[in-house]
Amino acid sequence: GENVEQHPSTLSVQEGDSAVIKCTYSDSASNYFPWYKQELGKRPQLIIDIRSNVGEKKDQRIAVTLNKTAKHFSLHITETQPEDSAVYFCAASGGNNAGNMLTFGGGTRLMVKP
Amino acid sequence: DTGVSQNPRHKITKRGQNVTFRCDPISEHNRLYWYRQTLGQGPEFLTYFQNEAQLEKSRLLSDRFSAERPKGSFSTLEIQRTEQGDSAMYLCASSRDRSNQPQHFGDGTRLSIL
Repeated sequence: GENVEQHPSTLSVQEGDSAVIKCTYSDSASNYFPWYKQELGKRPQLIIDIRSNVGEKKDQRIAVTLNKTAKHFSLHITETQPEDSAVYFCAASGGNNAGNMLTFGGGTRLMVKP
Repeated sequence: DTGVSQNPRHKITKRGQNVTFRCDPISEHNRLYWYRQTLGQGPEFLTYFQNEAQLEKSRLLSDRFSAERPKGSFSTLEIQRTEQGDSAMYLCASSRDRSNQPQHFGDGTRLSIL
């Protein structure tokens, strides 16, 4: 089955700096890669996703890049703000997984210092 | 779009008791997923429904766990003879019935076993 590794587990940045979170996956047939933000005690919230037919996607301060050959994808947050502080999860699905169940990484705790 | 709704939000019970959780998906979503999340970890897939049919179950789903979606709308997850290791957040997600559609999560039910 699919295995997703996520790094770093914690990330501390100054407000206004950029943050980058990286994930690798094992199933070369995976073709859908969402990112979720989870604040303490709240639901995982989808913030951006990318499908394998594109290499990059951007939405305001958030961007995701995908390298299918290397089987890794990354989340980039620019001009970080204190409200970006949360745990971020990457996930992968698709390919041989007909039901599109998500396999999640272990999460990255992002702390943005004012 | 009222979002995915889960009840109860919290459940505290004694070891050995049975518990049941409910999930109401987004109304036009045919796919419904259950995940389990323990502290500091990403969600792990448990089971998946397409309409009323349960199409996939994880090895994590022991014989003490059962899930239903009788009319293809809401779903229930029952745990019989609860154990300490069942303590976790149980998350429900739903999506449209097409490949690689975004999954939207509910707030979860936090289960604590005394």
